[in-house]
Amino acid sequence: AQKITQTQPGMFVQEKEAVTLDCTYDTSDPSYGLFWYKQPSSGEMIFLIYQGSYDQQNATEGRYSLNFQKARKSANLVISASQLGDSAMYFCAMREGDSNYQLIWGAGTKLIIKP
Amino acid sequence: EPEVTQTPSHQVTQMGQEVILRCVPISNHLYFYWYRQILGQKVEFLVSFYNNEISEKSEIFDDQFSVERPDGSNFTLKIRSTKLEDSAMYFCASRRSGSPSNEQFFGPGTRLTVL
Repeated sequence: AQKITQTQPGMFVQEKEAVTLDCTYDTSDPSYGLFWYKQPSSGEMIFLIYQGSYDQQNATEGRYSLNFQKARKSANLVISASQLGDSAMYFCAMREGDSNYQLIWGAGTKLIIKP
Repeated sequence: EPEVTQTPSHQVTQMGQEVILRCVPISNHLYFYWYRQILGQKVEFLVSFYNNEISEKSEIFDDQFSVERPDGSNFTLKIRSTKLEDSAMYFCASRRSGSPSNEQFFGPGTRLTVL
């Protein structure tokens, strides 16, 4: 079974609109962390936001927020007021447990912002 | 701002040749990782390294692969006899112990092309 599922292979969004990128996860470990990374066409992997399984509040980082619904095992990324520079691949990843923190990755969503 | 660096940015090699991919993690980080991303596919964990030894490895990380931290700053991934299917982007990442988000900082990647 997939540990991280990103159901949207691609999305087109109008500039300045908000966008939600979906991520669901599967783990039986009570301690885990969820990450979102951005990968522009240049290839580097840029950390955006983190949510720990015990965090009481949804994480926010500037225009990025994470809609964490623990019972539904979802951790959707919300980008407010999208910009042309937001066009990229977005990956959801999970760290399970408290061991060495290898990340398990989703397949990614390709986001294209239209002017 | 400190960052993870990787060299070379792109390496082309013949099948059967040995390659060494180099990474310089962030200086006060203690956990090191290699991931790979085959073109158009999800990121896959290869190996994690802590306290001068491998702490976890995936089934991809077979006897053809090895890692080393030869001098306290570099972290290398060696592929002994490359195969066509080793063509991928290879990412090095490092993590500072105790970071509340356990964020892994990624290098810009090395694109390996095996001919």
